Amino acid sequence: SAVISQKPSRDICQRGTSLTIQCQVDSQVTMMFWYRQQPGQSLTLIATANQGSEATYESGFVIDKFPISRPNLTFSTLTVSNMSPEDSSIYLCSVDRGHEQYFGPGTRLTVT
Amino acid sequence: EDQVTQSPEALRLQEGESSSLNCSYTVSGLRGLFWYRQDPGKGPEFLFTLYSAGEEKEKERLKATLTKKESFLHITAPKPEDSATYLCAVRVHGGSQGNLIFGKGTKLSVKP
Repeated sequence: SAVISQKPSRDICQRGTSLTIQCQVDSQVTMMFWYRQQPGQSLTLIATANQGSEATYESGFVIDKFPISRPNLTFSTLTVSNMSPEDSSIYLCSVDRGHEQYFGPGTRLTVT
Repeated sequence: EDQVTQSPEALRLQEGESSSLNCSYTVSGLRGLFWYRQDPGKGPEFLFTLYSAGEEKEKERLKATLTKKESFLHITAPKPEDSATYLCAVRVHGGSQGNLIFGKGTKLSVKP
């Protein structure tokens, strides 16, 4: 299994500001993944974060809006930039352990 | 387009009343089908991964099965603590390693 922690667990932010979400894993992993869970919608992959290289973004997501850092093999950050109410969502960090994929507890973001 | 559909959207059971949740999928090539449990305010909790038609896996009161077009999550004699949203996801050939395509989930309520 994997133990994943995220900070903050929740936040309320004003539109136009940015929030950085942290993800910490209990052991080294090659790839870390960032997902979004919007109200009433399916979980959707935002990007894959590899240590030592640029993140890979899925269709519909761009680096300027969701910059990602991956400074080492157990840590990553996702920034939600220039926020609007449409960014209100749960953001989840995830890691793959062979045949199993694990998720962190999520960060619940509300943009007012 | 790869797609995952879960039914029903919501299911209310009496304690001890067995039932099944359905996950149908349309994908270009299946690399794995995943089941998760998600409690309110928490991240998805990994339950099972299935890889080929005919495969079955069990955990306590839950049993997951897989055919070429769908998966079932059978819940035998459920208890109130089984109440949660159950998510189904697929990993497809050609997709990025961590890209799970999720359904919208089935919200299960078990009444005592």
